[in-house]
Amino acid sequence: AQKITQTQPGMFVQEKEAVTLDCTYDTSDPSYGLFWYKQPSSGEMIFLIYQGSYDQQNATEGRYSLNFQKARKSANLVISASQLGDSAMYFCAMWGSARQLTFGSGTQLTVLP
Amino acid sequence: GAVVSQHPSRVICKSGTSVKIECRSLDFQATTMFWYRQFPKQSLMLMATSNEGSKATYEQGVEKDKFLINHASLTLSTLTVTSAHPEDSSFYICSARDPQGPLSYEQYFGPGTRLTVT
Repeated sequence: AQKITQTQPGMFVQEKEAVTLDCTYDTSDPSYGLFWYKQPSSGEMIFLIYQGSYDQQNATEGRYSLNFQKARKSANLVISASQLGDSAMYFCAMWGSARQLTFGSGTQLTVLP
Repeated sequence: GAVVSQHPSRVICKSGTSVKIECRSLDFQATTMFWYRQFPKQSLMLMATSNEGSKATYEQGVEKDKFLINHASLTLSTLTVTSAHPEDSSFYICSARDPQGPLSYEQYFGPGTRLTVT
């Protein structure tokens, strides 16, 4: 079985500052993928970034980067230069041998002006 | 990028009636679609995996006779909530995998359907 843990129900960050959203995972699969999604109040799920378990380098997509520490089983999302539009719920998710996404409980990020 | 649509976006129905939600992949063929349910301020919970031309695989605790899933074509899956009750009120989201996409694991999500049962 695979499990995703997000321990921060809510986070606040000042506009233009960087913020790290924590995600730890547990799986016995040798090969897996880790995703981060953003869900604004409208409800749509927006794909942000992906990290494969065998990828040597941390993934980056614009202002988003994934701090992947395989030995610690962590896949934290770093958002640089936060913007007001970044206020949303953020979900970490994992894909493995079960061939389905397992989601964490989410972190509600609020960017303060 | 790949687009998935859902219809309707919002629906209100009376207790005891049935509601059908459609999920379409607009620019790719999706052999596998997924249906999720999300209660307010909670995470997405997988209800079932739908494979084109075969019966859906339901997650433990999901009533297959209540939540009917049909995946009759490579671009359309439907979820029918039968004999809906107020406790079925939720946000239902579908997603689809594009096996030909650059990231075979990636799921493309529909915009969701907010169901309210009165």
